[in-house]
Amino acid sequence: DAGITQSPRHKVTETGTPVTLRCHQTENHRYMYWYRQDPGHGLRLIHYSYGVKDTDKGEVSDGYSVSRSKTEDFLLTLESATSSQTSVYFCAISVDLRETQYFGPGTRLLVL
Amino acid sequence: DAKTTQPTSMDCAEGRAANLPCNHSTISGNEYVYWYRQIHSQGPQYIIHGLKNNETNEMASLIITEDRKSSTLILPHATLRDTAVYYCIVRATGANNLFFGTGTRLTVIP
Repeated sequence: DAGITQSPRHKVTETGTPVTLRCHQTENHRYMYWYRQDPGHGLRLIHYSYGVKDTDKGEVSDGYSVSRSKTEDFLLTLESATSSQTSVYFCAISVDLRETQYFGPGTRLLVL
Repeated sequence: DAKTTQPTSMDCAEGRAANLPCNHSTISGNEYVYWYRQIHSQGPQYIIHGLKNNETNEMASLIITEDRKSSTLILPHATLRDTAVYYCIVRATGANNLFFGTGTRLTVIP
């Protein structure tokens, strides 16, 4: 399995609070991705990064921001969490865009 | 990315081969066929991918028809731990996104 960890694995928070999820990799892969998974929608890309400080938006980026200050860490921030952001969040990594994406174990977020 | 069609669910007896079909009739020449699976409450796990030729690795075999409009994932000797949702994904070279559909829920029966 690819060396990907996500923290926290579970989080409960209240509407309006900021939340940061962390993805950490030990593979030195250039690309990192954040997806969310919801029933009936499959996985949807939120943001991705193609290098330190280089990020771009995905399909469902509204309400989310990301940062990548080191190759190994990719942070996803919900500036002001809403109930619609209750979801399971998965991080993925790949060597480059043409290569296979490998996924982390996920973070379950509940926004009350 | 081309859309895929998979059966909603399938059963397979433990120890037998599981053959999971996928239809991707609108696939383009530069699009690969990827298979992932997701065991309950875990992250998606990469299984195999291919472009034109059949592929085999330690987990599975991928058979792609000559016209590339469909493919079959074969788990040669299914075990209870293979119970999962299997996703067939068509992805263009250089695409940043993976479009996971609803997949096939495979249940391996003792």
